Amino acid sequence: DGGITQSPKYLFRKEGQNVTLSCEQNLNHDAMYWYRQDPGQGLRLIYYSQIVNDFQKGDIAEGYSVSREKKESFPLTVTSAQKNPTAFYLCASSPRAFRGNEQFFGPGTRLTVL
Amino acid sequence: GDSVTQMEGPVTLSEEAFLTINCTYTATGYPSLFWYVQYPGEGLQLLLKATKADDKGSNKGFEATYRKETTSFHLEKGSVQVSDSAVYFCALSEGDYKLSFGAGTTVTVRA
Repeated sequence: DGGITQSPKYLFRKEGQNVTLSCEQNLNHDAMYWYRQDPGQGLRLIYYSQIVNDFQKGDIAEGYSVSREKKESFPLTVTSAQKNPTAFYLCASSPRAFRGNEQFFGPGTRLTVL
Repeated sequence: GDSVTQMEGPVTLSEEAFLTINCTYTATGYPSLFWYVQYPGEGLQLLLKATKADDKGSNKGFEATYRKETTSFHLEKGSVQVSDSAVYFCALSEGDYKLSFGAGTTVTVRA
């Protein structure tokens, strides 16, 4: 089955630790995205990538980093510089970065900082 | 910049009631418009979309029409079911390909 997988589903982190969230897609999509969702708020874009080895900051990139070494993978690292990292993180992909294209979402990772 | 405003929830309805969720947008050009649905603990799924003025998107009994004159994309369903209980997000996409989301509207349908 084609789709987007995110792991782990739940993640707990101690303050001061970096943590990496995995996102893999087998849809052969060029573009991939990371969003953060907080209760009662819409999704906010952290980073996006339109092509391998290239990515751009979204609206709330501070305290996060990404890489795009392979077309199918777009991992997100939440660093200790992110002041309030507890949230639900969603990865998405689209065939190419075009305004009419649907974005397909993974099931999400819920990160909790202890 | 681009933005989306959707009606605040939560919305609670009885089965077979009519559902409307208002969505208005601000954009400089001609965006594409989307409605996504999120069931508890899951990611988002595309419900419907419209890419130009007067287009009507429809899926699973839901409909929304792209109204450029009122910059709106209201979601409607004539007869809701308990399984329609979810959070609904209106979103737009313009020249830089990013999706801008509304805050989401929580809908609960009671049997």
